[in-house]
Amino acid sequence: GAVVSQHPSWVICKSGTSVKIECRSLDFQATTMFWYRQFPKQSLMLMATSNEGSKATYEQGVEKDKFLINHASLTLSTLTVTSAHPEDSSFYICSARRSGGNTGELFFGEGSRLTVL
Amino acid sequence: RKEVEQDPGPFNVPEGATVAFNCTYSNSASQSFFWYRQDCRKEPKLLMSVYSSGNEDGRFTAQLNRASQYISLLIRDSKLSDSATYLCVVNSAGTASKLTFGTGTRLQVTL
Repeated sequence: GAVVSQHPSWVICKSGTSVKIECRSLDFQATTMFWYRQFPKQSLMLMATSNEGSKATYEQGVEKDKFLINHASLTLSTLTVTSAHPEDSSFYICSARRSGGNTGELFFGEGSRLTVL
Repeated sequence: RKEVEQDPGPFNVPEGATVAFNCTYSNSASQSFFWYRQDCRKEPKLLMSVYSSGNEDGRFTAQLNRASQYISLLIRDSKLSDSATYLCVVNSAGTASKLTFGTGTRLQVTL
């Protein structure tokens, strides 16, 4: 089956630093990838839709200058949390939909747990 | 009102029990519905799609009631391995690929 790989799986950083998270589709091309954030005991919240070769579409309330998304190829999207603060500590998950696949079957990465000290 | 609402649980049931979860959604124009399963500190994985006529996959049965705008998931003969959080997922109106997740219902199956 399709596999989406996310890296790193966990990261601890100091406040003010930037952290980059990678999301790769391993056996299919993904023109669209999605980035979610999940706080403890809460639902996945869509942050942005990453489109290959064009700008990402951000959800309301998500700062595009703080959460930089780059989707430079059909198999890789990156999320950079810039100038991270403790309130950015969360579980970040990416997902990808295979072109032509079931609209609802998103394949998720393993998630990246970010802790900002 | 949240777009997708679920009882967070937890539902604690003994092995072999039958358990049902409900989920309500607010947008009557929603077209696609799914149940995902998420294990603790893991990514969600698709459990099953939900079709208008209802559908079954082994011990799992999903039902959709458009008139009342709710979706259900029934698990028969619960196994210990069914312990997880079950996420109700609905597509957002106007954008087929944008999905909205409920907060999930936690199930704990015990011996």
